[in-house]
Amino acid sequence: KQEVTQIPAALSVPEGENLVLNCSFTDSAIYNLQWFRQDPGKGLTSLLLIQSSQREQTSGRLNASLDKSSGRSTLYIAASQPGDSATYLCAVSLWAGYSTLTFGKGTMLLVSP
Amino acid sequence: DTEVTQTPKHLVMGMTNKKSLKCEQHMGHRAMYWYKQKAKKPPELMFVYSYEKLSINESVPSRFSPECPNSSLLNLHLHALQPEDSALYLCASSQDDPPLHFGNGTRLTVT
Repeated sequence: KQEVTQIPAALSVPEGENLVLNCSFTDSAIYNLQWFRQDPGKGLTSLLLIQSSQREQTSGRLNASLDKSSGRSTLYIAASQPGDSATYLCAVSLWAGYSTLTFGKGTMLLVSP
Repeated sequence: DTEVTQTPKHLVMGMTNKKSLKCEQHMGHRAMYWYKQKAKKPPELMFVYSYEKLSINESVPSRFSPECPNSSLLNLHLHALQPEDSALYLCASSQDDPPLHFGNGTRLTVT
């Protein structure tokens, strides 16, 4: 059974710092990996999707990498801002005409002004 | 603004009540999903509909009954729930390929 682990569970940084969130998964036979952001009491916002054949994806200040063989992904956030404060969830997916996501427990990020 | 709309945003119900959660998307997505998320936990898959047919039921108790009337709508009918069923219920949709698009959820409290 696929297991997804995210480290650290919580992170507090001052504004402006670059930071890295880590995600590891036990079964490398994934279809893709998706990073989400979740604000308290809200739904999930998709940040980046990396297909299993890709190594990284970038969107603005966010960069996600994937090393499928070692079962690892990282989310890099450059020049963090208070508005980045949220929980970041990593999820890996199998695919059979629809997606079955397995989520990590998330990293709760607090960026202080 | 999310492209997956869930109603209501909040719901409080007694254990003998019958209620329904609704989800709607107009992106032409062919797969729709229900997830359950307890506080400080990751979302857990409950049901998947693909082309309006139930494809996955993750051993969810029968007090939760999904329905997909058409490709744009997904309902979750609730009956005789328990207090431990209180959670955030998330709907998502996807096209023939990922990513999944999530709604903002319905916060359900069972009293």
